[in-house]
Formats: sequence, structure tokens, C-alpha cells
Amino acid sequence: DTEVTQTPKHLVMGMTNKKSLKCEQHMGHRAMYWYKQKAKKPPELMFVYSYEKLSINESVPSRFSPECPNSSLLNLHLHALQPEDSALYLCASSQDLRSGLEAFFGQGTRLTVV
Amino acid sequence: LAKTTQPISMDSYEGQEVNITCSHNNIATNDYITWYQQFPSQGPRFIIQGYKTKVTNEVASLFIPADRKSSTLSLPRVSLSDTAVYYCLVGRSGGGNKLTFGTGTQLKVEL
Repeated sequence: DTEVTQTPKHLVMGMTNKKSLKCEQHMGHRAMYWYKQKAKKPPELMFVYSYEKLSINESVPSRFSPECPNSSLLNLHLHALQPEDSALYLCASSQDLRSGLEAFFGQGTRLTVV
Repeated sequence: LAKTTQPISMDSYEGQEVNITCSHNNIATNDYITWYQQFPSQGPRFIIQGYKTKVTNEVASLFIPADRKSSTLSLPRVSLSDTAVYYCLVGRSGGGNKLTFGTGTQLKVEL
């Protein structure tokens, strides 16, 4: 199994809602990533987890809250988002941070904030 | 991470070979060069990675000159399905790599 699975594929939420994005991999990878991608722009790194611990936070606003409950799962909790947060949210994994250049990406969650 | 520079876009026709060059003048000794492909509304897909000279797999070849200040991704006999954005990434394969994407090259393949 070489897949990274993200759910849901699409999400529409209001600015007062709380929602969560989920990411799962069963490749035994110990590094997991969240990216945000706006239209016609490259993916922007948000968070990196290594061995279930937050390793990198790229100064992401606190309305985005990551969680890594175990080595296979990565969540992104969303609260009080703004319309400009609408984007494609991508999850990725790699064997560990030492092999970080070769990563597997999920199909993404298309988030629309209304 | 070393900064990378790629052409914003390239056009080609089916059956042609496409070469996309990436400049990375401040590449460090421990840095590797990696290329990803991304289709619209999908996650990027790893294509190839190399350190020096030439690397080839079933999808592409990667040419890296001796000074390593640039690299060229070569796609043989492209088809319409190769229309995508191609990203060049440069960074260490050991220790805390952030996997940062540059602007990428939009390749458009036509009949």
C-alpha cells in the first residue's frame, strides 16, 4: 500500500464552524506533512511531524491546529477560518525526515470557507 | 534550502522529448535534487531524484553537470497526459528537510 488517503475530498464550512481534515498512511512512514495550495501556486508547507511529534510549524495561524494521534494518522483541526483560507490542503508522508525529499502525497481536501 | 529557478511554462507536442532545466546556484554539498509532477487538483507525485551525473528510471532522466549548479529533467516522447506542473526541489536528504516547493514549470503538451 503506497497511498496517502485524505478525507473528506471536499469540505465547505462557515467561518464559525469547527471541522477536521484527516490523513492516513500505512507505509510505516514516520514523517508526515500538511501543505496548503492556492490556485496556480506551489504547495506551501504548514506543519511537519516526525515520530508523532511536531517538528516544524511554519508560523501558521492558530486557527489551524495539527494533531498526530499515532504514526499512521494526521489530523488538521480547523476553527474560525477566513474565506482566504479556502485552498487545497495536502497531506504527505516520507519514511522519515532524512528521506524527506521523496514523499508521497494524498489527493488533497478542497476546502471552501464561506 | 537552496533556491531554485525554473521556466514558468513550456509547450511541446506529442512524441517530442522535453527538457526542463532548473538552476540552483547555491546548492550545498549534501543537497540532493528531486523532481515532482503535479496534475490539477491532485497531490504532487515524486518523479526522480539524483545527486550527480545521470539518473534514469521508467519515467524520466535527470542530468546533473559536474558543478551541480543546475539540473535537467528529461521526459522522452511526451504525451498529452504529461501536461502538468513540474517542480524542482533541492535539499539535504539527511536531517530535518522541509521539502519546500519552488514556482514550478507548467508543461503543456499538444497534438
